[in-house]
Amino acid sequence: DAGVTQSPTHLIKTRGQQVTLRCSPKSGHDTVSWYQQALGQGPQFIFQYYEEEERQRGNFPDRFSGHQFPNYSSELNVNALLLGDSALYLCASSFGVIRLGQFFGPGTRLTVL
Amino acid sequence: AQTVTQSQPEMSVQEAETVTLSCTYDTSESDYYLFWYKQPPSRQMILVIRQEAYKQQNATENRFSVNFQKAAKSFSLKISDSQLGDAAMYFCAYRRRNAGGTSYGKLTFGQGTILTVHP
Repeated sequence: DAGVTQSPTHLIKTRGQQVTLRCSPKSGHDTVSWYQQALGQGPQFIFQYYEEEERQRGNFPDRFSGHQFPNYSSELNVNALLLGDSALYLCASSFGVIRLGQFFGPGTRLTVL
Repeated sequence: AQTVTQSQPEMSVQEAETVTLSCTYDTSESDYYLFWYKQPPSRQMILVIRQEAYKQQNATENRFSVNFQKAAKSFSLKISDSQLGDAAMYFCAYRRRNAGGTSYGKLTFGQGTILTVHP
Protein backbone atom coordinates (compact mmCIF):
# COMPACT_ATOMS: atom_id res chain seq x y z
CA ASP A 1 0.00 0.00 0.00
CA ALA A 2 1.73 3.16 -1.21
CA GLY A 3 1.76 6.07 1.15
CA VAL A 4 1.59 9.72 0.20
CA THR A 5 3.96 10.54 -2.64
CA GLN A 6 5.24 13.93 -3.76
CA SER A 7 7.22 15.15 -6.72
CA PRO A 8 9.72 16.49 -7.30
CA THR A 9 11.93 15.88 -4.27
CA HIS A 10 13.96 19.02 -4.75
CA LEU A 11 13.46 22.08 -6.90
CA ILE A 12 15.50 25.22 -7.53
CA LYS A 13 13.84 28.28 -9.05
CA THR A 14 14.63 31.96 -9.41
CA ARG A 15 12.61 34.90 -8.17
CA GLY A 16 9.57 35.69 -10.29
CA GLN A 17 9.24 32.20 -11.70
CA GLN A 18 6.30 29.88 -11.24
CA VAL A 19 6.38 26.37 -9.78
CA THR A 20 4.04 23.38 -9.63
CA LEU A 21 4.33 20.71 -6.97
CA ARG A 22 2.46 17.41 -7.13
CA CYS A 23 0.99 15.06 -4.57
CA SER A 24 -0.65 11.64 -4.74
CA PRO A 25 -2.61 10.74 -1.61
CA LYS A 26 -2.44 7.48 0.25
CA SER A 27 -4.63 4.82 -1.34
CA GLY A 28 -8.23 5.26 -0.26
CA HIS A 29 -7.78 8.85 0.91
CA ASP A 30 -9.91 11.61 -0.56
CA THR A 31 -8.66 14.78 1.14
CA VAL A 32 -5.38 16.53 0.47
CA SER A 33 -3.82 19.32 2.53
CA TRP A 34 -0.74 21.39 1.78
CA TYR A 35 1.66 22.85 4.33
CA GLN A 36 4.69 25.09 4.12
CA GLN A 37 7.51 24.35 6.56
CA ALA A 38 10.32 26.89 6.92
CA LEU A 39 13.62 25.59 8.22
CA GLY A 40 13.43 24.81 11.93
CA GLN A 41 9.75 25.72 12.17
CA GLY A 42 6.46 23.89 12.39
CA PRO A 43 4.38 23.42 9.23
CA GLN A 44 1.95 26.19 8.30
CA PHE A 45 -1.36 25.28 6.67
CA ILE A 46 -1.78 26.55 3.10
CA PHE A 47 -5.07 24.99 1.99
CA GLN A 48 -7.07 21.79 1.83
CA TYR A 49 -8.92 20.11 -1.03
CA TYR A 50 -11.87 17.76 -0.78
CA GLU A 51 -14.16 16.68 -3.64
CA GLU A 52 -12.05 18.82 -5.99
CA GLU A 53 -12.85 22.01 -4.11
CA GLU A 54 -10.77 24.18 -1.83
CA ARG A 55 -12.43 23.71 1.57
CA GLN A 56 -10.23 25.73 3.85
CA ARG A 57 -7.38 28.15 3.36
CA GLY A 58 -4.64 29.43 5.62
CA ASN A 59 -3.09 32.88 5.64
CA PHE A 60 -1.32 32.67 2.29
CA PRO A 61 -1.57 35.12 -0.63
CA ASP A 62 -3.35 34.38 -3.88
CA ARG A 63 0.00 33.56 -5.47
CA PHE A 64 -0.56 30.15 -3.88
CA SER A 65 -3.20 28.17 -5.70
CA GLY A 66 -4.10 24.54 -6.03
CA HIS A 67 -6.13 21.93 -7.71
CA GLN A 68 -7.48 18.47 -6.96
CA PHE A 69 -8.15 15.96 -9.70
CA PRO A 70 -10.88 13.31 -9.87
CA ASN A 71 -8.36 10.65 -8.78
CA TYR A 72 -7.78 12.76 -5.61
CA SER A 73 -4.22 13.76 -6.55
CA SER A 74 -3.39 17.42 -6.13
CA GLU A 75 -1.15 20.20 -7.35
CA LEU A 76 0.18 23.25 -5.56
CA ASN A 77 1.07 26.21 -7.77
CA VAL A 78 3.07 29.20 -6.64
CA ASN A 79 3.38 32.22 -8.94
CA ALA A 80 5.85 35.12 -8.84
CA LEU A 81 8.19 33.30 -6.49
CA LEU A 82 9.85 35.25 -3.68
CA LEU A 83 12.97 34.36 -1.73
CA GLY A 84 10.72 33.80 1.29
CA ASP A 85 8.91 31.00 -0.49
CA SER A 86 11.96 28.79 0.02
CA ALA A 87 10.74 25.99 2.27
CA LEU A 88 9.76 22.37 2.52
CA TYR A 89 6.29 21.85 1.09
CA LEU A 90 4.41 18.99 2.66
CA CYS A 91 1.34 17.24 1.37
CA ALA A 92 -0.93 15.33 3.73
CA SER A 93 -3.88 13.08 2.97
CA SER A 94 -6.75 11.81 5.03
CA PHE A 95 -10.11 10.06 4.77
CA GLY A 96 -13.27 9.89 6.73
CA VAL A 97 -13.24 10.70 10.38
CA ILE A 98 -10.12 12.74 11.03
CA ARG A 99 -9.34 11.02 14.29
CA LEU A 100 -7.14 8.77 12.19
CA GLY A 101 -4.91 11.75 11.55
CA GLN A 102 -3.39 13.12 8.41
CA PHE A 103 -0.63 11.13 6.70
CA PHE A 104 2.24 13.13 5.28
CA GLY A 105 4.41 12.74 2.23
CA PRO A 106 8.19 13.23 2.24
CA GLY A 107 7.88 16.80 1.00
CA THR A 108 9.34 18.89 -1.79
CA ARG A 109 12.27 21.13 -0.90
CA LEU A 110 11.90 24.38 -2.86
CA THR A 111 14.81 26.77 -3.06
CA VAL A 112 14.26 30.21 -4.59
CA LEU A 113 17.40 32.07 -5.66
CA ALA B 1 -7.61 31.39 16.50
CA GLN B 2 -6.08 28.28 17.92
CA THR B 3 -2.42 28.30 18.94
CA VAL B 4 -0.07 25.51 19.95
CA THR B 5 3.04 26.17 22.03
CA GLN B 6 5.99 23.89 22.62
CA SER B 7 8.22 25.61 25.15
CA GLN B 8 11.17 23.23 24.89
CA PRO B 9 13.20 23.91 21.72
CA GLU B 10 15.54 21.02 22.55
CA MET B 11 15.53 18.01 24.86
CA SER B 12 17.96 15.17 25.37
CA VAL B 13 17.69 11.73 26.94
CA GLN B 14 19.89 8.74 27.55
CA GLU B 15 19.07 5.56 25.71
CA ALA B 16 16.60 3.37 27.68
CA GLU B 17 15.47 6.28 29.87
CA THR B 18 12.21 8.24 29.84
CA VAL B 19 11.62 11.75 28.52
CA THR B 20 8.58 14.00 28.49
CA LEU B 21 7.90 16.64 25.86
CA SER B 22 5.55 19.48 26.73
CA CYS B 23 2.77 21.08 24.71
CA THR B 24 0.10 23.61 25.57
CA TYR B 25 -2.64 24.91 23.34
CA ASP B 26 -5.25 27.59 23.32
CA THR B 27 -8.74 27.10 21.94
CA SER B 28 -12.30 28.09 22.64
CA GLU B 29 -13.59 24.85 21.15
CA SER B 30 -14.74 22.00 23.36
CA ASP B 31 -14.29 19.17 20.88
CA TYR B 32 -11.03 18.66 19.05
CA TYR B 33 -8.18 16.30 18.33
CA LEU B 34 -4.57 16.49 19.43
CA PHE B 35 -1.63 14.77 17.79
CA TRP B 36 2.07 14.23 18.22
CA TYR B 37 4.08 13.93 15.02
CA LYS B 38 7.72 12.91 14.65
CA GLN B 39 9.92 14.30 11.87
CA PRO B 40 13.31 12.60 11.54
CA PRO B 41 16.08 14.09 9.38
CA SER B 42 14.57 12.22 6.42
CA ARG B 43 11.76 14.86 6.63
CA GLN B 44 8.88 12.37 6.58
CA MET B 45 6.32 13.47 9.16
CA ILE B 46 5.12 10.39 11.05
CA LEU B 47 2.05 10.26 13.27
CA VAL B 48 3.08 9.04 16.73
CA ILE B 49 -0.09 9.26 18.77
CA ARG B 50 -3.50 10.95 18.77
CA GLN B 51 -5.98 11.97 21.45
CA GLU B 52 -9.66 12.83 21.13
CA ALA B 53 -10.61 15.62 23.50
CA TYR B 54 -13.89 14.00 24.52
CA LYS B 55 -12.03 10.93 25.78
CA GLN B 56 -10.78 11.23 29.34
CA GLN B 57 -8.45 8.25 29.05
CA ASN B 58 -4.92 9.10 27.98
CA ALA B 59 -3.82 7.55 24.69
CA THR B 60 -1.00 4.99 24.63
CA GLU B 61 0.92 3.51 21.72
CA ASN B 62 3.61 1.06 22.82
CA ARG B 63 6.41 3.16 24.38
CA PHE B 64 4.57 6.43 23.71
CA SER B 65 1.90 7.82 26.00
CA VAL B 66 0.30 11.19 26.59
CA ASN B 67 -0.82 13.14 29.62
CA PHE B 68 -3.89 15.04 28.46
CA GLN B 69 -5.11 17.73 30.86
CA LYS B 70 -8.11 19.34 29.15
CA ALA B 71 -8.78 22.00 31.76
CA ALA B 72 -5.15 23.08 31.73
CA LYS B 73 -5.00 22.74 27.92
CA SER B 74 -1.89 20.65 28.23
CA PHE B 75 -0.86 17.66 26.13
CA SER B 76 2.54 16.17 26.95
CA LEU B 77 4.22 13.19 25.31
CA LYS B 78 6.12 10.62 27.35
CA ILE B 79 8.61 8.35 25.61
CA SER B 80 9.64 5.36 27.68
CA ASP B 81 12.70 3.17 27.09
CA SER B 82 14.08 5.72 24.62
CA GLN B 83 15.81 4.35 21.56
CA LEU B 84 18.32 5.90 19.18
CA GLY B 85 15.67 5.82 16.48
CA ASP B 86 13.49 8.16 18.54
CA ALA B 87 15.84 11.05 17.77
CA ALA B 88 13.87 13.55 15.70
CA MET B 89 11.91 16.80 15.78
CA TYR B 90 8.60 16.30 17.54
CA PHE B 91 5.56 18.42 16.77
CA CYS B 92 2.38 18.80 18.74
CA ALA B 93 -0.67 19.55 16.58
CA TYR B 94 -4.29 20.54 17.09
CA ARG B 95 -7.34 20.12 14.93
CA ARG B 96 -10.86 21.23 15.57
CA ARG B 97 -13.46 18.48 15.25
CA ASN B 98 -15.95 19.36 12.54
CA ALA B 99 -19.62 18.57 12.89
CA GLY B 100 -20.18 15.02 11.72
CA GLY B 101 -16.50 14.24 12.11
CA THR B 102 -15.74 15.07 8.48
CA SER B 103 -12.20 14.81 7.33
CA TYR B 104 -11.43 18.33 6.26
CA GLY B 105 -9.85 20.92 8.46
CA LYS B 106 -6.36 22.19 9.09
CA LEU B 107 -3.77 21.04 11.56
CA THR B 108 -2.20 23.75 13.69
CA PHE B 109 1.36 22.86 14.70
CA GLY B 110 3.65 23.97 17.47
CA GLN B 111 7.20 25.11 16.84
CA GLY B 112 8.66 21.69 17.53
CA THR B 113 11.09 20.12 20.01
CA ILE B 114 14.34 18.57 18.85
CA LEU B 115 14.94 15.33 20.75
CA THR B 116 18.47 13.96 20.99
CA VAL B 117 19.04 10.42 22.26
CA HIS B 118 22.46 9.66 23.71
CA PRO B 119 23.82 6.09 23.62
